[in-house]
Amino acid sequence: EAGVTQSPTHLIKTRGQQATLRCSPISGHTSVYWYQQALGLGLQFLLWYDEGEERNRGNFPPRFSGRQFPNYSSELNVNALELEDSALYLCASSLGDSSHEQYFGPGTRLTVT
Amino acid sequence: GENVEQHPSTLSVQEGDSAVIKCTYSDSASNYFPWYKQELGKGPQLIIDIRSNVGEKKDQRIAVTLNKTAKHFSLHITETQPEDSAVYFCAASTSGTYKYIFGTGTRLKVLA
Repeated sequence: EAGVTQSPTHLIKTRGQQATLRCSPISGHTSVYWYQQALGLGLQFLLWYDEGEERNRGNFPPRFSGRQFPNYSSELNVNALELEDSALYLCASSLGDSSHEQYFGPGTRLTVT
Repeated sequence: GENVEQHPSTLSVQEGDSAVIKCTYSDSASNYFPWYKQELGKGPQLIIDIRSNVGEKKDQRIAVTLNKTAKHFSLHITETQPEDSAVYFCAASTSGTYKYIFGTGTRLKVLA
């Protein structure tokens, strides 16, 4: 069974530009979560989508947004990129019920110059 | 606010010895506690988890204990091997939010 996949693997952008990151969950999973992992730091919760709706949001500015498509894949958009947005962005998926277990993808390394 | 503290930040052990990583959470409503292993260049991998209705769970060389009263939970790795070397993260979650609050990670080095 395929795991969570993310694309691209690496992304280099200039300050002020927009970045779009993509995630495909494990087959059968309806919930998608996005986390930011800055270098040397822990994982910070960004967004949670379930059944196409945004269910919860972390303490990030509105320029971090996303959506979930009917096939449960998801996009994370970061507008007006800042240097401190450079990080590993991780996507996780779960069954969306009370089982809780989240399974992570390999991440997208975003570098803002 | 919600917070998970994790200690130690780095841990070096000799191959074959045991390793213990400890976490403390602040939200008394937390009821699910997963542990992840992250190797260099990879995403975190779920290695074991425990729910609030259980005090201990074991899976081969890995065990997790939970003390709800003290709001502590710990990861125990026995008979450590070089391939156990990685960064380990604890997390706490609450039903309904499904938002994980992660600890800051422990870099474990197993010395051959």
